[in-house]
Parts: sequence; structure tokens; C-alpha cells
Amino acid sequence: AQKVTQAQTEISVVEKEDVTLDCVYETRDTTYYLFWYKQPPSGELVFLIRRNSFDEQNEISGRYSWNFQKSTSSFNFTITASQVVDSAVYFCALSEAQDSSASKIIFGSGTRLSIRP
Amino acid sequence: DTGVSQNPRHKITKRGQNVTFRCDPISEHNRLYWYRQTLGQGPEFLTYFQNEAQLEKSRLLSDRFSAERPKGSFSTLEIQRTEQGDSAMYLCASSPRVGNEKLFFGSGTQLSVL
Repeated sequence: AQKVTQAQTEISVVEKEDVTLDCVYETRDTTYYLFWYKQPPSGELVFLIRRNSFDEQNEISGRYSWNFQKSTSSFNFTITASQVVDSAVYFCALSEAQDSSASKIIFGSGTRLSIRP
Repeated sequence: DTGVSQNPRHKITKRGQNVTFRCDPISEHNRLYWYRQTLGQGPEFLTYFQNEAQLEKSRLLSDRFSAERPKGSFSTLEIQRTEQGDSAMYLCASSPRVGNEKLFFGSGTQLSVL
């Protein structure tokens, strides 16, 4: 069975600090996809990134970066020089790709990130 | 692209009543998902459609829950004989094509069962 664990329930940092959100996953499949979503106070989930299991290259997008390590089943998310607008709940998610018509995305319990001015 | 639309935004009902929610996905998105989210938790998968076909339904979903997508466009989620434990945010999402594409979420319907 697949599972996503986000051990950090809440994180609070001062603006401009770097912060890393941890994500550990479990799956028996060799082919799968990992995601990060952001849920701001307005409530609507916003897609941030998708990574497939064959691509272990780290990715950087502006102040955001993602570190995918298959050996430790982790897909961590780092925000550099955090800003107050980054305050939100962040969800890591996993979907298996055994059959393209039978996929669904399983979410972790989320990490609430608060950026203090 | 007007986004995924869900109605109503809020629903308060008494235990035992039936409720129905509607989701209008992004036009031409053939996949539509229903999730449920309770406070402090991540979204929990309920069911999904590819066009009008319901391809998977969570085992956690009791027989009181039913979803339809009759013409492959909008979808409805009905809960019969509501219970207090059904209180949650019900989220709808759509994606453009087959495969593990990113999901576009609606703002959700907040259900409170008294």
C-alpha cells in the first residue's frame, strides 16, 4: 500500500530564513509520481511540482527547490529566503502509475508553515 | 479557463438528511476527482471519473455516498442519511488527460452536519 508521511506538523520561521519541509513515502511500485501542493488560507489547493520516479534530478524554481532521493524514499521541499506570502499548508502526495487509467493521488497530512515578519 | 467550480460553498444540514454537491470541472478536462478533507488532515481520495465512467471508488466510502458524471462534464456527489462524521470539506479536482497529470482543485464545499 502507498503512504505519504509528513512528520513536521507545524513549522514557524522568521522571514528570510530558509526552511525545508520533509516528505517520506512508501510504495511497492517502481513507477510512481510525487507531488507538492500548497493550500493557502483561502483554501484552494495549488499545484507546485510533479516528479516521476525515474527522474532523480533536483529541481529549482525561483526560491523553491526539491530534493528527490529514491534511496531514502524522500522528496523534500526547500524554500529559500522565505516570505510572509509563503505561509500556507503544504502537502506532499504520491500516485502510482501501474496503469494509466487506475491512478489516484494520495496526500500526506500536511505541514503548516508560518512565516513571521 | 474559469477554473473548477463547486456549489454550494457551504452546506449546513441536520443528521439524517440527504445532501448533494455539484462540481463543474475545467472545460474539456476528462478526469474528475472527489476528495474529502477534515481539519488538520490532507485530502482523502473518494472516487474519480474518466469522462462519464467511474473508474475507482475508495473502500472507505460507505454505500451512503454516490457520485455521478452523467455526460462526462459536471459531477454530483450525494450523501444520504448524513451523519455527524460526514462533516468535512468536499473537494473536487479535474485534470486534462489520461495519466498522472497535475490536479486543478476547486474551492470545495464545506459540509456541517448538526
